[in-house]
Amino acid sequence: GQNIDQPTEMTATEGAIVQINCTYQTSGFNGLFWYQQHAGEAPTFLSYNVLDGLEEKGRFSSFLSRSKGYSYLLLKELQMKDSASYLCAVRDANYQLIWGAGTKLIIKP
Amino acid sequence: GAVVSQHPSRVICKSGTSVKIECRSLDFQATTMFWYRQFPKQSLMLMATSNEGSKATYEQGVEKDKFLINHASLTLSTLTVTSAHPEDSSFYICSARDPQRGDSGIQYFGAGTRLSVL
Repeated sequence: GQNIDQPTEMTATEGAIVQINCTYQTSGFNGLFWYQQHAGEAPTFLSYNVLDGLEEKGRFSSFLSRSKGYSYLLLKELQMKDSASYLCAVRDANYQLIWGAGTKLIIKP
Repeated sequence: GAVVSQHPSRVICKSGTSVKIECRSLDFQATTMFWYRQFPKQSLMLMATSNEGSKATYEQGVEKDKFLINHASLTLSTLTVTSAHPEDSSFYICSARDPQRGDSGIQYFGAGTRLSVL
């Protein structure tokens, strides 16, 4: 079967750095996405990785290792507004998006 | 760019009534739109893929007669929850891809519709 694993919940301090991991087992791979979802709202796109390596976009970076079936989202200089759920999604061989359950990130002052 | 509008944002209805949710791509033409359902503290569950001018493709376990999808134009898809019951209460979200952006399949989401069936 297809599976995406990410931690259920993480807590970090304002101003710090946090890394949210995502491991996947899918039938084929055609890209990995990270989305941010605030409570009661729709997801918003953060990043897309299809090749190995690090993609940096401001305070957010995303890393991919296809051989390990692994990705992480790195958030720097955390702000209170970063409190949200972070969803990892993988596009499989059929170009279907497989979604992880999301990681709830709690930022404390 | 790539804005998706979803309406209404919240619906409260009586059991047995039907509810229509609209999803519009405002600044691009979306040949394909997606309908998701999300229960509290759970991830997105794809219900169906809506294709302009053709029948929607439903995921396993989703009743197509219960959740009617119409994608009559390149900018509008609708989801109708027929004869809604309390167990249909959920957060429904649509998304669309913009084929012209070359964004490798990034989906842009509407704001979601919270349906509460009494």
